[in-house]
Amino acid sequence: SYELTQPPSVSVSPGQTARITCSGDALPKRYAYWYQQKSGQAPVLVIYEDSKRPSGIPERFSGSSSGTMGTLTVSGAQVDDEADYYCYSTDSSGNHRVFGGGTKLTVL
Amino acid sequence: QVQLVESGGGGVQPGRSLRLSCAVSGIKFSSYAMHWVRQAPGKGLEWVGIISYDGSNEHYADSVKGRFTISRDNSKNTLYLQMNSLRTEDTAVYYCARDEAQQPLDYWGQGTLVTVSS
Repeated sequence: SYELTQPPSVSVSPGQTARITCSGDALPKRYAYWYQQKSGQAPVLVIYEDSKRPSGIPERFSGSSSGTMGTLTVSGAQVDDEADYYCYSTDSSGNHRVFGGGTKLTVL
Repeated sequence: QVQLVESGGGGVQPGRSLRLSCAVSGIKFSSYAMHWVRQAPGKGLEWVGIISYDGSNEHYADSVKGRFTISRDNSKNTLYLQMNSLRTEDTAVYYCARDEAQQPLDYWGQGTLVTVSS
């Protein structure tokens, strides 16, 4: 079955730039999406279609994609950005969706 | 405002069945495909399955295919997840979420906990 691979953890100091990667064989042909999940809460969409930001999401969140790798960038990370981040996409058929394993972002 | 409210979770023995519901308000429910997503305690998100806006098409994760069935009643604005032959590894918080074409999984419920244990 199709898999998306993320690093388990990323750590930065406040104000630094955090980059979280997501690797998948179908990403050259399929969009990547990114979700933020804070402890005890439902996930929130922060990036859609590789690089677009939903209404209400701060500009410090951005996304990019190149080949089999998607990247979520948090520029000037804040303590409030500490959360688990998940990439999401579909397999080459477009029928099966999948989440990456998640990356815990620590800002301290 | 948009609300998705899951219900039906609880404790169940392995091999038994359980049906979850997701009541949706604040959107035109019949216009959107809907997902179920689960999260085992302390683990990551796992996509469970999706049903088309009219209920004519479904797709499932390999881990639940043949055991779980997603259905919907557009007259009641309600999504369902029928879970049969439950296993201990099905223990998780189950979320329903809307599938919007450009921004999938843009609205989520608060989740309902299913515990499978003898």
